Amino acid sequence: EDQVTQSPEALRLQEGESSSLNCSYTVSGLRGLFWYRQDPGKGPEFLFTLYSAGEEKEKERLKATLTKKESFLHITAPKPEDSATYLCAVSGAGSYQLTFGKGTKLSVIP
Amino acid sequence: DSGVTQTPKHLITATGQRVTLRCSPRSGDLSVYWYQQSLDQGLQFLIQYYNGEERAKGNILERFSAQQFPDLHSELNLSSLELGDSALYFCASSVGGVTEAFFGQGTRLTVV
Repeated sequence: EDQVTQSPEALRLQEGESSSLNCSYTVSGLRGLFWYRQDPGKGPEFLFTLYSAGEEKEKERLKATLTKKESFLHITAPKPEDSATYLCAVSGAGSYQLTFGKGTKLSVIP
Repeated sequence: DSGVTQTPKHLITATGQRVTLRCSPRSGDLSVYWYQQSLDQGLQFLIQYYNGEERAKGNILERFSAQQFPDLHSELNLSSLELGDSALYFCASSVGGVTEAFFGQGTRLTVV
């Protein structure tokens, strides 16, 4: 069974204070690891897909990296509008659905 | 805007009732997924359809059922509703089964 654990559960940062969110996963044959952003009461918004260890993707202040057992979402010089819950999900071999972690709630204080 | 449309946005109904949630996937997407999100829970996978056929089933209750129609829209039917069924229900779609999925804005179901 695929499993995803995200840490920390919540993170408060001052504006401009860089940090990283962690996603540890257990999966039988990784097909893909996905990062989403979710605002309260809204649907998750797709950010990145990573397929193999060593891969990196960037978008504005966000950078996602992948190893064989975990992924990191690095946030550089965050702004208040980056406040949201960040979700990590995996898709494993023989499984067609995405298995999600419980997310990290990020708050960026001006 | 993800291109995935869910209706209705909000639904308030009484215990024991039956409701239908509707989802239109992005143009060209063949896969539709349904997820449930409660306050203390993460996104729980319910069921997936691919081009009209059921492909995967998660923790979906027997009181719940779904289908995907020839025009690829999907419906999630929830019956004999209980207070604990109150949650956000999301539909997502993807081109295939292993690519990124794009989510709708959800239906907030409140059972009173």
